[in-house]
Amino acid sequence: DIQMTQSPSSLSASVGDRVTITCQASQDISNYLNWYQQKPGKAPKLLIYDASNLETGVPSRFSGSGSGTDFTFTITSLQPEDIATYFCQQYDNLPPNFGQGTKLEIK
Amino acid sequence: EVQLLESGGGLIQPGGSLRLSCAASRFTFSSYAMSWVRQAPGKGLEWVSSISGSGGSTYYADSVKGRFTISRDNSKNTLYLQMSSLRAEDTAVYYCAKDQEGVEFRFDPWGQGTLVTVSS
Repeated sequence: DIQMTQSPSSLSASVGDRVTITCQASQDISNYLNWYQQKPGKAPKLLIYDASNLETGVPSRFSGSGSGTDFTFTITSLQPEDIATYFCQQYDNLPPNFGQGTKLEIK
Repeated sequence: EVQLLESGGGLIQPGGSLRLSCAASRFTFSSYAMSWVRQAPGKGLEWVSSISGSGGSTYYADSVKGRFTISRDNSKNTLYLQMSSLRAEDTAVYYCAKDQEGVEFRFDPWGQGTLVTVSS
């Protein structure tokens, strides 16, 4: 199985800050990576697919990059409504594993 | 807007069986693969199972293989997860999620989830 390692596991930032989360795959997954946002008590929501493609309707302050084994998720200007846990997920191989999540809080 | 509504969760004793349903609407259900993903209380996300649009191809996590069965009734726009030989570690919120036209494991959107608690 491909292991997905996210860092950090938690993050505290101020409104307006640039926030970066990384995700590392245990082997090359090309660009077969998704990023999800899960707000407290809610279902996850797909934000980015194929490592860097923004899902329709998702604000442009969210972005993703990377390929191979190393990926980055960025929020360019943190907003209060971005408080959530963020998960990466690979879909190069079965099983389509998720990272352990990054809990984002407002400072 | 796509709608997915799960049902069937509840409290069940270890070794018991339960069937989850996911009613889909506002898209051509039979054209899309569907999946189940679960989340244990306070934990991360774990993919459980996926099925192609026709139902002809199914995929399972090793942790549920042989105990869970995914199926769909395209005439009723409904996805199912039959769970048997349930264990305490199966306790989780179970989400159904729409995939792409093929099985691509791109989960969007998700239902609101149904809680399964396995306990005596």
